[in-house]
Amino acid sequence: GQNIDQPTEMTATEGAIVQINCTYQTSGFNGLFWYQQHAGEAPTFLSYNVLDGLEEKGRFSSFLSRSKGYSYLLLKELQMKDSASYLCAVRENAGNMLTFGGGTRLMVKP
Amino acid sequence: ETGVTQTPRHLVMGMTNKKSLKCEQHLGHNAMYWYKQSAKKPLELMFVYSLEERVENNSVPSRFSPECPNSSHLFLHLHTLQPEDSALYLCASSQDSGRGYTFGSGTRLTVV
Repeated sequence: GQNIDQPTEMTATEGAIVQINCTYQTSGFNGLFWYQQHAGEAPTFLSYNVLDGLEEKGRFSSFLSRSKGYSYLLLKELQMKDSASYLCAVRENAGNMLTFGGGTRLMVKP
Repeated sequence: ETGVTQTPRHLVMGMTNKKSLKCEQHLGHNAMYWYKQSAKKPLELMFVYSLEERVENNSVPSRFSPECPNSSHLFLHLHTLQPEDSALYLCASSQDSGRGYTFGSGTRLTVV
């Protein structure tokens, strides 16, 4: 089984940087995903990490440390439209089934 | 539009009704999933179909019955549901060797 933890809510200011952490406990780790979900909409893929280190994609970056069971999503130059829930998900062993954390609701204020 | 289409978007049903949720993908993916999203709870995996065969059902109550007639279509048949089954039901698809899911927009289900 898996245990995935992330903060329930965070608040940040427009233009700032925010880091959303995710910790996990699993056997047979095979990748970590971040999704963004606006209220009433489908979750959309943001990033994927399977090796240690930082993956950068525009304003969004994701970091993974497999030895620590830890990942973070870094959002730079925050915009109001970044207000959403951010879901951390872990893939275990073979196949492509994902287990999700509870999500972090990010509120960006002017 | 994400490439995965779910209908209906909203559904209100009584506890004695029978209804079906539909999911359709035209991305060429070979796996499809049903997830339940309740308020303040993580996404819960309900069913997985890979190459049209069910590989995981995760101990879901029998009042939920999935059907996958081909690799592009997935149904969730509902009967005699309970109020606690009210939630957002999300369908997703993936390629087995791929890098995650493509989600549909979900069906918001309310059981009264």
